[in-house]
Amino acid sequence: KAGVTQTPRYLIKTRGQQVTLSCSPISGHRSVSWYQQTPGQGLQFLFEYFSETQRNKGNFPGRFSGRQFSNSRSEMNVSTLELGDSALYLCASSFELVRNEQFFGPGTRLTVL
Amino acid sequence: SQKIEQNSEALNIQEGKTATLTCNYTNYSPAYLQWYRQDPGRGPVFLLLIRENEKEKRKERLKVTFDTTLKQSLFHITASQPADSATYLCALEGSSNTGKLIFGQGTTLQVKP
Repeated sequence: KAGVTQTPRYLIKTRGQQVTLSCSPISGHRSVSWYQQTPGQGLQFLFEYFSETQRNKGNFPGRFSGRQFSNSRSEMNVSTLELGDSALYLCASSFELVRNEQFFGPGTRLTVL
Repeated sequence: SQKIEQNSEALNIQEGKTATLTCNYTNYSPAYLQWYRQDPGRGPVFLLLIRENEKEKRKERLKVTFDTTLKQSLFHITASQPADSATYLCALEGSSNTGKLIFGQGTTLQVKP
């Protein structure tokens, strides 16, 4: 079974731009969660999608948004990028709810200049 | 406020010894707690999940305990090997039944041959 894939793996943007990251969950998984990981803040929950609906949202500004498609693939978008948005963005999938084990992708390393 | 604390200092042990990592939490009443391993540049990998009604769980050389009175989980690796060197993260549900998983900052384990 293929694991969680994320594209692109690396991205460099400048302040003010927007970015879209993509995540393909493990086949059959319906829950996709997104996390931001930085050295200072650690791994922080962004949002979770289940069957195309956002179930939970972390404490991030409205510039961070996401969506999930009918095939469970998910995208997250960050608009008006700031320097502080530089981070590793991780996507994780699980069969049902996050209280089951989550399978993480390799992440997208975003650098904002 | 809710807080999860893991040893911020790296844990250095000799090969063959037992490594014990601590996860303390305050102002939570989690139904379960998860442990993950993360290697540099990679996404976390699920290791174990323990529920509030379970005192202990084992998987091969790994053992997790969960004390809801002390609000603490201990993660043990017996007969540690250099390949066990990584950062270990504990995670629990932020609020009951929300599916919002909150991670600790992680403890880095270094096993020396």
